Parts: sequence; C-alpha cells; structure tokens
Amino acid sequence: NAGVTQTPKFRVLKTGQSMTLLCAQDMNHEYMYWYRQDPGMGLRLIHYSVGEGTTAKGEVPDGYNVSRLKKQNFLLGLESAAPSQTSVYFCASSYRQGSMTEAFFGQGTRLTVV
Amino acid sequence: DQQVKQNSPSLSVQEGRISILNCDYTNSMFDYFLWYKKYPAEGPTFLISISSIKDKNEDGRFTVFLNKSAKHLSLHIVPSQPGDSAVYFCAASEGYAGGTSYGKLTFGQGTILTVHP
Repeated sequence: NAGVTQTPKFRVLKTGQSMTLLCAQDMNHEYMYWYRQDPGMGLRLIHYSVGEGTTAKGEVPDGYNVSRLKKQNFLLGLESAAPSQTSVYFCASSYRQGSMTEAFFGQGTRLTVV
Repeated sequence: DQQVKQNSPSLSVQEGRISILNCDYTNSMFDYFLWYKKYPAEGPTFLISISSIKDKNEDGRFTVFLNKSAKHLSLHIVPSQPGDSAVYFCAASEGYAGGTSYGKLTFGQGTILTVHP
C-alpha cells in the first residue's frame, strides 16, 4: 500500500517554463489537496478537489491550475513558472467528511525556479 | 492574516522530560484541530486530533488540550524521546460538524522540537 505518491521529487525550472506535478493515491479517498510549504509560513492550500471531475481554489491559487480526471490522480500545473513559486509542494488526500478527516500526505516535491 | 499561529519556532527538551508545544488561533469557526509531525525530506504525518466539543484527547504519550475560550491548544509529549525530534505543525479546520470543511486545513508555521539524549 503506497499511500500518496508524488512525482517528481525534485525539479529545477527556468522562469517561464511549464511543468505538471503528479499526485496518485491508492486509498480510494474522495478528497485531494495541493499545499505549498515556504519557510516561516507553514503549509498553505493551493487547490483542492472533493471528487473526480471537480476542483476548487484554496488560499493561494494564482499561477496554478489543477485537474482531477481520475479519482486516484490529482495534477498540479504551472503554466509559466516564476521564482516566487520556488517551494516544496505537498499533495494530500482524505476520506469523505464524516468518517476520518485526517489527511495523508505525499513525500513532497522540491521545486526551484531560477 | 495568520489564522493559526505557533509562536515558538523551536523547543529543546531533555529525553524523558515533558515537551509542550503551543498553538493559538483567531478564527472562532474552527471546530477541529490536528497536530502533524514532519521529518526532513518527508511529508507531514498525522499525530493526534481533537474536536471542539472536547477539551482533551490522549493517545499514548501524546495529549492534546483545547481551551476554546482562549483559542489555544497545546500538545504534550510525555516522556519525550530522541525520535520525537521533528517539526510539529498545528492545523485547524472549520465546518467539521456540518460536513462543509471538505478536510481543508489551515496550518501554523511549525515548531522544531529537539529532544536531547
């Protein structure tokens, strides 16, 4: 049971380049999330999804797009990377409300934009 | 505006002693609180949680206390062990009772706990 898996683990981008971060979960969770972690800021929610085919904005959505075409996958896209998007990105998933709300996190993707 | 604050960036404790990590929040709509532990180069892992209808929850060496009137929660680790050395994040969710939070979490900045042998 792998849990939540993120691909890639590390990436360096040049300003203006695009990339997609992939998140896959094998726990049949309904809800999935993308957070970013910056020094002194904790984790902040970028986008989230409450089910296949749905997405919604979180606290810091600008510059990112997401898609959830399959229940087990949640993709985070950067269309034109900026140095301000240098961060560690975490994907998470959780059960539908009412059973468990504790989110399970992936190992993170460290992205540097130069 | 930081809705969840952990005002101590770091805490150093001797093995066997108690570790107390603190967290304050400003949003009175938060009704579910969690603590996560994070090792370097890994994702956060869930530690313990408490809903706003309780004031205490225990799980082994870990106890979380909630003071709603003060909008304050704390995590007690007794006894502390060197393997507890990690970053601890406090997190909060609103709408838990009504099922509208969708599990979205607001995190504090984290506290680095170091337990010395």
